[in-house]
Amino acid sequence: GIQVEQSPPDLILQEGANSTLRCNFSDSVNNLQWFHQNPWGQLINLFYIPSGTKQNGRLSATTVATERYSLLYISSSQTTDSGVYFCAVSSGGSNYKLTFGKGTLLTVNP
Amino acid sequence: DTEVTQTPKHLVMGMTNKKSLKCEQHMGHRAMYWYKQKAKKPPELMFVYSYEKLSINESVPSRFSPECPNSSLLNLHLHALQPEDSALYLCASSQETGSVEAQHFGDGTRLSIL
Repeated sequence: GIQVEQSPPDLILQEGANSTLRCNFSDSVNNLQWFHQNPWGQLINLFYIPSGTKQNGRLSATTVATERYSLLYISSSQTTDSGVYFCAVSSGGSNYKLTFGKGTLLTVNP
Repeated sequence: DTEVTQTPKHLVMGMTNKKSLKCEQHMGHRAMYWYKQKAKKPPELMFVYSYEKLSINESVPSRFSPECPNSSLLNLHLHALQPEDSALYLCASSQETGSVEAQHFGDGTRLSIL
């Protein structure tokens, strides 16, 4: 099956700093989603981005499908950005099976 | 994603109990999913329902029994669970399994088996 690797595994920032999270995948994808799981376990959709670039406030994401990677940018980080960021992909003819990376644990200190 | 509602939020049960988890969505989605997430691990797919029919079972033990009574509801019936089944159970939905659309997740049920 498709492999998904996220880096870095852990990241500690001071409030206000910027960061870039990376997701590499081993095959062509038809679905790529970025999620934020907060400390309470809620899995929040950030972006649906199988290709191209999207922005939502302080967050933006870029997927270069031909090179099999996606980047999530967080600018002016806040303590509420803390949690685990997951990249999840599906490949093949349908989107039913999302394969998740192991995640990046982000800690933003005040 | 508060458009997918899961109840209860927390559940503690003994190994001999029977309980059910409930998931509801009103987005008109025709595909619904159950995932299991252990601590410090990513979610793992358990079941997929497409148009109210079970289409995928990822080799899940029979002590977990899914049910889709209608297009908006998805249940997960639990019986004779083991302590290792303690986890966060996430429900998700999407437009269809055959189309490429985002999956939307509920807030999960945190299950503890005594």
